[in-house]
Amino acid sequence: DAGVIQSPRHEVTEMGQEVTLRCKPISGHDYLFWYRQTMMRGLELLIYFNNNVPIDDSGMPEDRFSAKMPNASFSTLKIQPSEPRDSAVYFCASSLIKGETQYFGPGTRLLVL
Amino acid sequence: LAKTTQPISMDSYEGQEVNITCSHNNIATNDYITWYQQFPSQGPRFIIQGYKTKVTNEVASLFIPADRKSSTLSLPRVSLSDTAVYYCLVGGHTGGFKTIFGAGTRLFVKA
Repeated sequence: DAGVIQSPRHEVTEMGQEVTLRCKPISGHDYLFWYRQTMMRGLELLIYFNNNVPIDDSGMPEDRFSAKMPNASFSTLKIQPSEPRDSAVYFCASSLIKGETQYFGPGTRLLVL
Repeated sequence: LAKTTQPISMDSYEGQEVNITCSHNNIATNDYITWYQQFPSQGPRFIIQGYKTKVTNEVASLFIPADRKSSTLSLPRVSLSDTAVYYCLVGGHTGGFKTIFGAGTRLFVKA
């Protein structure tokens, strides 16, 4: 398996623009997680899905952030409108069973100017 | 959710054994203890997981005392490539599930 795949790897955009980050979890994994990492706040869990259903989105910073998982092999994290403070590395991870090892993707480095 | 406390940073030399201790005083009965490693510009990578006593794999050992209020990750004979941030996580396999990554321990291995 290729592991968790994220795209794009890097994204530079201007404030106010819409940003869409994509993730393909490992095949067969029932859980998918979105994280954000910054120097100031470390690694934060934004939202996680189980069998394509959002279970806990309490980490989503505000209404400008939304996440979807239309099927078992694809998820998106959207920021609209983007702001400079959204600049961070966004990781997607998946796991087979609740509480088991999470496998992280390479991350998307987002810079909002 | 059980909070974890780890040293912010540690230094070591190649070939030495490194022990990183994590405190989790509020660990729940169903909680497991998991350690991840993160290199710069990469996502965290699973190292080891345990519930009690001792767990060993090809990479590390995890020591958990009987009260489970702390755990120690042991890295035998570290090399320069072990320089990374190490995270201790406590979470359950049942009920509500949420992963909290603390600040981690930044390990710097010197030649």
